[in-house]
Amino acid sequence: SSELTQDPAVSVALGQTVRITCQGDNLRSYSATWYQQRPGQAPLLVIYGDNNRPSGIPDRFSTSRSGNTASLTITGAQAEDEADYYCYSRASSAIHWVFGGGTRLTVL
Amino acid sequence: QVQLVQSGPEVKKSGASVKVSCKSSGYSFTSYYMHWVRQAPGQGLEWMGVINPSGTSTNYAQKFQGRVTMTRDTSTRTDYMELSSLTSDDTAVYYCARDVSAGTTSWWLDPWGQGTPLTVSS
Repeated sequence: SSELTQDPAVSVALGQTVRITCQGDNLRSYSATWYQQRPGQAPLLVIYGDNNRPSGIPDRFSTSRSGNTASLTITGAQAEDEADYYCYSRASSAIHWVFGGGTRLTVL
Repeated sequence: QVQLVQSGPEVKKSGASVKVSCKSSGYSFTSYYMHWVRQAPGQGLEWMGVINPSGTSTNYAQKFQGRVTMTRDTSTRTDYMELSSLTSDDTAVYYCARDVSAGTTSWWLDPWGQGTPLTVSS
């Protein structure tokens, strides 16, 4: 089992706001980063560090952290945001890394 | 631009080994760690391990200890991941991904290779 726990599936109406969460005790010490994966494609970094977005990632993607929970928020979800989302962080062992189980986002 | 290009699809028999390559371009190869991640069909991402910039140190996920070997050739800017004693459970897409860090509390993977599909049959 993963040290990072995500809800398997979340849905959001087009244009509405959705939050995808990632829980793990290691998140009290380490930041989470977030990846988007569309079918048949390699994962794509969408958020890193202190709420930073790589070039080309829309500003509707943002992140926050509280206690042992990291959240990815999409404000005004678009059809192209429909994908699997994974959180990633350093494991409590400090020499390994770990992914959350992934959340499938459906945009209705 | 920074790019990771992986070797092509592989088909192996149970019990065999596979060696996947990942060639880097567009950045200082010996300044970055490289991770390997796999994804079984219909499943999530699974971290396998990491190799340090000089290729002298590795950390493997416990699940793969004794069965995986990660190496790098700095002269050709290429990383390798070899997995032995293959079973059908190893059927997956294997990715390399460059490690980027900020301080001691935040790490991310960017970019990723295009993935190498591996099929293991009996």
